[in-house]
Parts: sequence; C-alpha cells; structure tokens
Amino acid sequence: KNQVEQSPQSLIILEGKNCTLQCNYTVSPFSNLRWYKQDTGRGPVSLTIMTFSENTKSNGRYTATLDADTKQSSLHITASQLSDSASYICVVTFSGGYNKLIFGAGTRLAVHP
Amino acid sequence: AAGVIQSPRHLIKEKRETATLKCYPIPRHDTVYWYQQGPGQDPQFLISFYEKMQSDKGSIPDRFSAQQFSDYHSELNMSSLELGDSALYFCASSSASGINTQYFGPGTRLTVL
Repeated sequence: KNQVEQSPQSLIILEGKNCTLQCNYTVSPFSNLRWYKQDTGRGPVSLTIMTFSENTKSNGRYTATLDADTKQSSLHITASQLSDSASYICVVTFSGGYNKLIFGAGTRLAVHP
Repeated sequence: AAGVIQSPRHLIKEKRETATLKCYPIPRHDTVYWYQQGPGQDPQFLISFYEKMQSDKGSIPDRFSAQQFSDYHSELNMSSLELGDSALYFCASSSASGINTQYFGPGTRLTVL
C-alpha cells in the first residue's frame, strides 16, 4: 500500500534552535518528493522538490534530504524563527499511473520565543 | 482508522456542464479544505470551512461555490466547466482543537472534454 508517514506528529522548539522532521514512504514507483509549509487555513507553500536522483536540496534555512534506497526524507530547519510555526507536509508523487500525490499527515511545528 | 472520503473518484464532464464533488471528513473533524492540482503543478488552495462557515478563501473561481453541511461534509459545486478545470481536486479535514493536522483525501480526478 502506498503510504507516507511523518514524525513527529507535533514539535515545540525555542526560537533560534534547529529541528529535523522525518518522512518515510512506501510509495512505488516514485517520481519525486516535496516538502510544503502550510499555515492553518491557507494553501501549502512549496519548500523543496527532489527526484529520486537527488540527495539534498536547500531553500534558505530549510534543507531537505532524500534516501531513495531506504525511502526516507528529512527536513532540517536551521535557526528557527517564530514565523516557522506551521504544518510541514511531505508529499510523494506516485508515478505508477497518472502521477497521483500521496500526502503525509504533516508535522505541526510550534516555535516559541 | 477512518480517512477522508471523496466522491466520485473520477468524473468526466463536457464544457459548460456542472459538476459536484463531495468530501466526507474524518469523524469529529470540523474543518474542511479544498485544493485544486493541475498537471505538474502544486496544489492550489481553493477554500476552507470551519463549523459550516467559510473560514478562508483562496484562488477559487467565481464559477465555483462550496459549502459545509450540518454533518460536516462539504460539496464543491463547479459550473460552466472549462477545459482548464481538468485537475485533481483534493479535500482535507482537520480538527480545530489540538494540533490541526490536515488529513488529505484520495482526490477526485475531473476531466473536462
């Protein structure tokens, strides 16, 4: 069964600290993996997109890694800011058909002063 | 565990016809979100509802309308369909109490001919 699982479900950190969010997937065949940031009630904002041949991709303070062999990805946030408080969603594209997106449940990050 | 249910899973319509997509949230979830994803594009936020009231509005065309009913299910009504409306339409639900994690449905694939 094609699934995307994220951990932790929620996370609280202090401003300025780093954190790492995890995404494990069983989707196969897989074409790409995306990380989104989403504020409550708003649309998702794309942070990174990686194909199976890419191991790491950065976007400012966000760095995503991908291990296609173990089917694991992580999103590392450096020097967190209060505005980083949001849900972070991992989405994997299932390419066995018509490029269906499989969504993870997300990690809810709260950054406290 | 129960997940978000969307119906129909596939829908084919002709130009200028109308379509109604349905979304049944996870039990006890009070918030519903609608997204549109065109081929090769990121999901675009359309509209959201909390406790049967519209809570936020994104890039939803005037030809579309949506509502959330007393049993918390939601319907997206699309009129005067255009070829460009062909897309995947995702529904997500969350509970405003707690960490507000969004759980996505499998999507409805709409094809306009």
